[in-house]
Amino acid sequence: KQEVTQIPAALSVPEGENLVLNCSFTDSAIYNLQWFRQDPGKGLTSLLLIQSSQREQTSGRLNASLDKSSGRSTLYIAASQPGDSATYLCAAPADNYGQNFVFGPGTRLSVLP
Amino acid sequence: DVKVTQSSRYLVKRTGEKVFLECVQDMDHENMFWYRQDPGLGLRLIYFSYDVKMKEKGDIPEGYSVSREKKERFSLILESASTNQTSMYLCASREQVGLGTEAFFGQGTRLTVV
Repeated sequence: KQEVTQIPAALSVPEGENLVLNCSFTDSAIYNLQWFRQDPGKGLTSLLLIQSSQREQTSGRLNASLDKSSGRSTLYIAASQPGDSATYLCAAPADNYGQNFVFGPGTRLSVLP
Repeated sequence: DVKVTQSSRYLVKRTGEKVFLECVQDMDHENMFWYRQDPGLGLRLIYFSYDVKMKEKGDIPEGYSVSREKKERFSLILESASTNQTSMYLCASREQVGLGTEAFFGQGTRLTVV
């Protein structure tokens, strides 16, 4: 059964720093992985979907990578801003049918002005 | 842009009431999901649907049922609400193409059962 973990659980950085959030999954036979952002009391906002064939995906200051062999994905945030403060979650497919997914517990990020 | 809309942001219901949570998506997605999110437990799948009138149980279906009469609408039903169903409920949808596509979420419904 797919299990997803994220480290660190929480992170506090000064504005302007570059940072890396980590996601690990147990079943490496995945074909994609998705990163989300969640603001307090709100729903999830999709950030990036990486297909296994892509290995990397970029959107603005965000870059996500996927290494199936090591069971890891990283989300890189460049030049962090206070508006980036949120919880970041990754989600991997639950099984080979591809329609359901398993979430990590999230990393709570605070960017201090 | 894909839009997933949940009918209520906040709900307060009494123990024993029948509760309906509605979710509508506007992108003709085949798959729709209901999750609940609790501190320390993360997101847990309650039910998902891969077509009209089709449903699959998720990890925690007890105490819940679902209805999907139209492709764009997926309803979560609490037959007899209990205090342990106080939670944030999240609906999601995704297109059923290939081996997985981007999932989109609604804004969430914070349900309090008193």
